[in-house]
Formats: sequence, structure tokens, C-alpha cells
Amino acid sequence: QSVLTQPPSVSAAPGQKVTISCSGSSSNIGSGYVSWYQQLPGTAPKLLISENDKRPSGIADRFSGSKSGTSATLGITGLQTGDEADYYCASWDSSLRAGVFGGGTKLTVL
Amino acid sequence: EVQLVESGGGLVQPGGSLRLSCVASGITVSDYWMNWVRQAPGKGLVWVSRISSEGSTTDYADSVKGRFTISRDSAKNTLYLQMNSLGAEDTALYSCARGTFRNGMDVWGQGTTVTVSS
Repeated sequence: QSVLTQPPSVSAAPGQKVTISCSGSSSNIGSGYVSWYQQLPGTAPKLLISENDKRPSGIADRFSGSKSGTSATLGITGLQTGDEADYYCASWDSSLRAGVFGGGTKLTVL
Repeated sequence: EVQLVESGGGLVQPGGSLRLSCVASGITVSDYWMNWVRQAPGKGLVWVSRISSEGSTTDYADSVKGRFTISRDSAKNTLYLQMNSLGAEDTALYSCARGTFRNGMDVWGQGTTVTVSS
């Protein structure tokens, strides 16, 4: 059971928008920052969002992040088949003094 | 080109030890916080350990505390993970990654596989 809770799967049609939620607590998301990662099959994770809502250079503006209280959300617009991947949220937990990842969400673009 | 390349994985018996290495090119390991993250087959990402850019702070997941040790060699520009008292639950792909949970882990290696089995 992960400290950060994500839905196991989401799906949407090409061109549509999808959101992936990440629920935590006051000791992680609520008091810190969230980052998001995309892991395409058989590849290393790729940073999509840092500091809750910042996109690194080279990340398409179709990807967005937000945080409210102890939850965070990744949004993806204009879905493409190439977006099919596992998505993970992550944060630092000050009580555990440990990094925590969500369990991951598998995105299917129908 | 910025690159992290892990090595040192393999098959080890329960109770055994391994030392993983992560050689960096294009970056200086001692300039950044560095992490080890593992992923069991078919499972999600799990953070294992981190070391600060100064080298003075190290943190560990509860599941490896007391058994794993993170370190680095600035002269070799290499990050290490010494793993002792290995159990089946440690079987995973181990990857090193640059960064923090605030700024994100923006550079990842491809990982090295550790299999603990008799």
C-alpha cells in the first residue's frame, strides 16, 4: 500500500483530456512539493512536472500539474497514443523522512 | 551528454550482499542530490535512498534501513549502494537518479537488475 494514492488506471480517447489524482497527507503533499513522472513501457521514468506545477524544458504544455491541500493532479490534454504509459506522483514525507511514490496509474488512450 | 550508467546487479542468495555502482558522465555526482529507486517486476517505483550534494545527509526507506548504505566517490564520479542481508523482497531493477523531490529527478539511469534467490 503506497503512501500516495493514485487510481490504478484511467482511459480516454485520442484528443481528449484526462486527469490523474494523487492523494497524500499533511506530512507529504500537504507540507511539500509534488513531482510527476511518465514511464513508457520498458524505459526509465521521465520527469514531467516538478514543484507541483512546473514543466521542465522540453515537456509539452499538454502536461500540467496542480496541488490543493493534500492532493495533487496531473492533467494531460490532446491525448495521443504515445501518451500511453504509467504515471507516478512523488513527494518527500517529513514524518517518515523518506521519499514516497504513488502506486502508479496506467493511462490507456482508446 | 548527461548519462547515468548502473552496474553491479546480478543473482545473489538470500542473506548475501551486492554493491551497485552508478557512473555519471556529463554531470558531477557531488554537485547534486542523488537517489536510488527500485522497481520490482511488474510493480511501481519505490524510493530506496538518497545522499545530499554535500554528502553529509543520507536517508533510507524503512525497508532497507540498517541493511543498505549509500555513498559516492567524487574522484570516480560514481554513486554506490551497498546492499547487505538481501532478501527476496529486494529483487528489483535498481536505478540511480539525480535530483530532489522538490525539483524532481530529471536524470535517470537504465537500471541494473538484482535477483535474490536460492
